[in-house]
Amino acid sequence: GAVVSQHPSRVICKSGTSVKIECRSLDFQATTMFWYRQFPKQSLMLMATSNEGSKATYEQGVEKDKFLINHASLTLSTLTVTSAHPEDSSFYICSARSVGYSGNTIYFGEGSWLTVV
Amino acid sequence: KNQVEQSPQSLIILEGKNCTLQCNYTVSPFSNLRWYKQDTGRGPVSLTIMTFSENTKSNGRYTATLDADTKQSSLHITASQLSDSASYICVVSPAMDTGRRALTFGSGTRLQVQP
Repeated sequence: GAVVSQHPSRVICKSGTSVKIECRSLDFQATTMFWYRQFPKQSLMLMATSNEGSKATYEQGVEKDKFLINHASLTLSTLTVTSAHPEDSSFYICSARSVGYSGNTIYFGEGSWLTVV
Repeated sequence: KNQVEQSPQSLIILEGKNCTLQCNYTVSPFSNLRWYKQDTGRGPVSLTIMTFSENTKSNGRYTATLDADTKQSSLHITASQLSDSASYICVVSPAMDTGRRALTFGSGTRLQVQP
C-alpha cells in the first residue's frame, strides 16, 4: 500500500484562487519532504525541499510567495499554489524521506493534477 | 549538462521481448542509484536501489546493474508485458546528502510495449 499519500489527486480551480495540496507520510516520520512539478512527457523538477519546523528551501526560479510550503508536523507537508493561473496547471508530486537502519529511502506520493481554468 | 543522462529517450518493443535502458551519471561522490517506474499520471514507484558497492540487483523481471568506475547503470527488463509501458527514471543520490539536493533525476526513458 501507499506509504505517502497526496490529496487531492485531482483539482480544478478558477484563475486567481488558491489551492492547497497535502502530502502525508502514513507510517513513518519524515523530517524532509520534497515537492516536484512535472509537465507532460518531462521529468520531475524539484521545486522545494521542506524540512519539518523550518522554512522550505526553494529551487532557483521557483517563487516562494506563490508556492507556499508548510511542514508543520513530521507526517504532513502542504503546498499551496496562491493566485493560481492557467500556466500553473501541472502534475505536482511530493516525496518523503524515511531514515532507517539501511539508509535513506525516498517514497513518492501518487501526485496531484492541478488544472487552473 | 544534466548530471544524469538516460538513453534512449523513448523505446517501443513487442510484448515478450527484452530491453535494456541506460543511465550515465556524473554525480560524484555518489551514495546510491535508484530506478523508478512511473506510469502516466502517477507517482514514481521504486524498482531497485543500489549503493556504490553493489553491481547488480533484481526485482522480478527487472534487473539493474551498476558500474561505479564508469558511472553507468542499466535496467534490463525481461519478457516485457504490456503493463511495463511507462517511464523509467534513473535517480542518483550524492554522498553529501545535505537534505537540499537529495536526488538528481534523469529525464527518463518512455517505454511502450506493444502487443
